[in-house]
Amino acid sequence: GENVEQHPSTLSVQEGDSAVIKCTYSDSASNYFPWYKQELGKGPQLIIDIRSNVGEKKDQRIAVTLNKTAKHFSLHITETQPEDSAVYFCAGLYGQNFVFGPGTRLSVLP
Amino acid sequence: DAGVIQSPRHEVTEMGQEVTLRCKPISGHNSLFWYRQTMMRGLELLIYFNNNVPIDDSGMPEDRFSAKMPNASFSTLKIQPSEPRDSAVYFCASSLGTGTSNQPQHFGDGTRLSIL
Repeated sequence: GENVEQHPSTLSVQEGDSAVIKCTYSDSASNYFPWYKQELGKGPQLIIDIRSNVGEKKDQRIAVTLNKTAKHFSLHITETQPEDSAVYFCAGLYGQNFVFGPGTRLSVLP
Repeated sequence: DAGVIQSPRHEVTEMGQEVTLRCKPISGHNSLFWYRQTMMRGLELLIYFNNNVPIDDSGMPEDRFSAKMPNASFSTLKIQPSEPRDSAVYFCASSLGTGTSNQPQHFGDGTRLSIL
């Protein structure tokens, strides 16, 4: 079936610490996995994505890792800042449609 | 560059009334998606268009919901008659190519709909 699980549902970290959010996907997911950040009152915005031909991708303080064998992928945010506080969604591509995880509410405490 | 534009941003109406949500995708994008977001169910895909043609409407809750895309730069989602359980934030997103081309979706800022 088409399913994306995401953990944790909420995460609080101190400013400057790292945050890690993990997602697992079911067998039939395709080879493209984006991560979105949603701030209050706004739509989800793409922050990073990964395709299955690579195991890791970095963009400044954000990185995503993909483990195809275990069927999970993770978002890593280093040196967190208050503006990183938001809800983060992972997604898997099933056929022509994305299935989104339930989201992680990240709070970065000053 | 202009992103996906949705209107209205907020809509409050009484149950039984017709509601029309509007979306202008990013110029040049040929796929358009309508989503509904609630606390209980998260982000749910309602319907997906490619080159103005509806490809998958299996997420549309019931016959009260309908969506159209008369041209490449405009789409509507209509609810008639509306019910309180339709209250949610409705998002429109667009992308290049089809979903299978592994292109990211770009979201608008949504319409917050409240049915009293």
